[in-house]
Amino acid sequence: GENVEQHPSTLSVQEGDSAVIKCTYSDSASNYFPWYKQELGKRPQLIIDIRSNVGEKKDQRIAVTLNKTAKHFSLHITETQPEDSAVYFCAEVGGGTSYGKLTFGQGTILTVHP
Amino acid sequence: NAGVMQNPRHLVRRRGQEARLRCSPMKGHSHVYWYRQLPEEGLKFMVYLQKENIIDESGMPKERFSAEFPKEGPSILRIQQVVRGDSAAYFCASSPGEGKAFFGQGTRLTVV
Repeated sequence: GENVEQHPSTLSVQEGDSAVIKCTYSDSASNYFPWYKQELGKRPQLIIDIRSNVGEKKDQRIAVTLNKTAKHFSLHITETQPEDSAVYFCAEVGGGTSYGKLTFGQGTILTVHP
Repeated sequence: NAGVMQNPRHLVRRRGQEARLRCSPMKGHSHVYWYRQLPEEGLKFMVYLQKENIIDESGMPKERFSAEFPKEGPSILRIQQVVRGDSAAYFCASSPGEGKAFFGQGTRLTVV
């Protein structure tokens, strides 16, 4: 069945540094990989996504890379700012028998120190 | 476009009562997901619905929990005979079916 592993569980960086969060998945039929940011007490918000026919996507300071062969994808945040501090979740939308099901990783608590 | 609307935002129920959580998807979205989140934990999948159909309910407890998404009106997550362990934030998300999902603000259920 579908399974998404996310690492690290916590990440602490200095302002201006880069942050990288990695996820692996098991469903080879998965075709869509979104990333969400959740601030304390708020709803998860979609920040970037990538489809299986693309290897990399960038939006200002954030980028996502996808390696379908190895079944892993990563979120990269450059020039981090204190307001980037939040919990980040990767997710995948399953294919095959899990078609359409949106499954999340365990989350990464990112802390950016000023 | 008002976004995904959940109500109520906060719900307090006594043990044994029923909790009914509502989710109105974004306009044009025909797919709804429900997730449960405990404090400082992740998003645990409960159920995935399309209009009038349950697509995947593998995350739903076998008893007391049910969900529906009727042809007209919001999706409803119903919890019967609530217990203290049901206290959590319940989020719904809606999607047009291509995978890109947007979340509501959540309902925080407290069982006393």
